[in-house]
Amino acid sequence: DSGVTQTPKHLITATGQRVTLRCSPRSGDLSVYWYQQSLDQGLQFLIQYYNGEERAKGNILERFSAQQFPDLHSELNLSSLELGDSALYFCASSEQGSYGYTFGSGTRLTVV
Amino acid sequence: AQSVTQPDIHITVSEGASLELRCNYSYGATPYLFWYVQSPGQGLQLLLKYFSGDTLVQGIKGFEAEFKRSQSSFNLRKPSVHWSDAAEYFCAVGAGGNEKLTFGTGTRLTIIP
Repeated sequence: DSGVTQTPKHLITATGQRVTLRCSPRSGDLSVYWYQQSLDQGLQFLIQYYNGEERAKGNILERFSAQQFPDLHSELNLSSLELGDSALYFCASSEQGSYGYTFGSGTRLTVV
Repeated sequence: AQSVTQPDIHITVSEGASLELRCNYSYGATPYLFWYVQSPGQGLQLLLKYFSGDTLVQGIKGFEAEFKRSQSSFNLRKPSVHWSDAAEYFCAVGAGGNEKLTFGTGTRLTIIP
C-alpha cells in the first residue's frame, strides 16, 4: 500500500456519460498530480494541484476538470465521455520539497 | 520543453543475466531524473532518483543508474535479474521540488528461465 488511495479501481460507463475519480494523497502530501495512461499515448500529465490551488496544467481536455478540496483529497471529473477516454487514470502525491511522486494503484476506466 | 526517450520498447533477458535499460532526456537546466517500475495492474513504484551529487545512484531491488550529462543519459542497470523483475520500466525527468514529471514511453522487460 503506497498510501495514495484511488477509488474506484474499475469503472465501466457508456459514451456521453460523466464520471468522477477520487484520490486521497498520502498523509501530509500537499501536491496531487493526475496522469492518464493509455497504450497509444503512454503516461500523459493532466493536471497538478498544490494545497488546493491549480499549479500546472498539461494535456487535459476541456471535457475534463479537477479540484482539490480543503482536506487535500482530489477529484477528476470526466464528462461527455468518448471511447478514446478509456484508459488508466493515476493519481500521485508528493510532499513539500520532495523529489518524486508516490502513485496510487489507478482507476481503470472503460467507456463502452 | 522537457522530454524523455526510452529507445527500447521491449527487452528480453535470461534470469541471472545483467540488464541495462536506456534513457535519454532533453532538459534545459539541471535535470531531476527518476526510474519507476510498474507491474501489471499496479501503480508506479519509485526505484531511484538523481538530482545532484554522485552520478551513480543506488535504488531499491538491487537497481542502480548512472547519470551522464555529456550523453544526456540516465541508464538503469542490474547485475543479475530475477523473474520478479519482469515489469514495465519508466524513466522520468522533472525540474525538482513539486514540479510535474515527464515520463518516457516505457520499456517492457521479459525474463526467460
